[in-house]
Formats: sequence, structure tokens, C-alpha cells
Amino acid sequence: QVHLVESGGGVVQPGGSLRLSCAASGFTFSRYGMHWVRQAPGKGLEWVTFIRSDAKKSHYPDSAKGRFTTSRDNSKQMLYLQMNSLRPEDTALYYCTTDLNWGSAFWGQGTLVTVSS
Amino acid sequence: QTVVTQEPSLSVSPGGTVTLTCGLSSGSVSTNYHPSWYQQTPGQSPRMLIYNTDTRSSGVPDRFSGSILGNKAALTITGAQADDESDYYCLVCVDTDIRVFGGGTKLTVL
Repeated sequence: QVHLVESGGGVVQPGGSLRLSCAASGFTFSRYGMHWVRQAPGKGLEWVTFIRSDAKKSHYPDSAKGRFTTSRDNSKQMLYLQMNSLRPEDTALYYCTTDLNWGSAFWGQGTLVTVSS
Repeated sequence: QTVVTQEPSLSVSPGGTVTLTCGLSSGSVSTNYHPSWYQQTPGQSPRMLIYNTDTRSSGVPDRFSGSILGNKAALTITGAQADDESDYYCLVCVDTDIRVFGGGTKLTVL
């Protein structure tokens, strides 16, 4: 079955950087676009970024543009999120999800990022 | 940027029917936005219930249905059960590769 495991979260100071990873298994990773979605403590879901199956295009909302970069290694079935210039409002649980039929069909358990001095 | 609106909270009686909606701050949600719906219980990852407006995900009970009602996407729960008490989120495709979540609806079954 589909399995997504995020890692790389932790505590980082404002202005710092962090790289999240998502290990995918149970499906042909190279065929699917992938999203990162985050959820601040006690808040709703926020779409962070999407990367196409061939990694040729990615998109971000204004809150992430210029600071976050998503990438993937299809040979390793891995998805990444490089986050720079982190702010306290980036504190959240970060999920990777599989794009299927325009929705996020499968979700990992998330990795927690805390931005605090 | 596009803002997707949902009722902050709703309640339904056990066995009753409730409709959650998903609209846009400006404009209408149509099938072209491919709305999807997610259920999240505390401490759990979200689960996709409905995709592409009205298609149920595998294993989702048929008491959950999706549609377009007027200018909004809608999730209807018919015969609500206690374990339907959750947060529900809609997701719309505002462009080919760009998504926006609604703010979520906290559903109480009482």
C-alpha cells in the first residue's frame, strides 16, 4: 500500500533553514505529482507547494515563494522541501501528499517544524 | 490571492443530514475547480473523502456525497453518525498546479 514518511523537522531559529524529506513507497512515484501541505498548531490546512511528476515545474503560494523550494529524486522515490529564511509563522506540521485526480489522495504522518528563538 | 470559504462550524443530530459548503471570495466554484473534501480527526492526518467534485474515495461510506450547489461545492452527509464529528476541509484547483484549501468546518454531531 501507499506509504509516505516525512522527516527532517525540528527546532530552528528565525532566519534559519531546514530541509524536509518524504520517502515514498507502495506506488510508482515517478508517475505522480506531489504536494507539501502544512498545518500550524490548532489551525487549518495550507497548501505549500506542488511539483510535477517529471520535476519540470513547481508552484508556490505567496507565503512560500522565494523562500521554499521543492524537489524530487524519482530514482530514490524521494520528495524534498528546502525551507530558507524561516519565520515563526512557518511553525507547523508539514505533510507530503500524492496528487491524484486533482486531490491529495495519500498523506504521510507529517514532520513538525518549530521556528523559535 | 484566492480565498476559499467554509462555514467555521456546523452541527447535526445523529441520523440527520448536513451540508457543508465551499465557496470563493470572488467567483463561483464549478467542476472546473475539481473540488475535493478531506476529513480530519484530532491527531490524525487528513483523509480524502471526495475528489473531482463528486467521486468518493475508496472505502468512503456512501452517506458522504459531493456536488455543486449553486455557486459552491458541497459535501453532504446523510444519516450522520457520531464518528463523523471531525474537521472537514475542501481543496480547490485555482490553476493547473495551484491549490487552495478552505479554512475548514468543525462538525459537531449532537
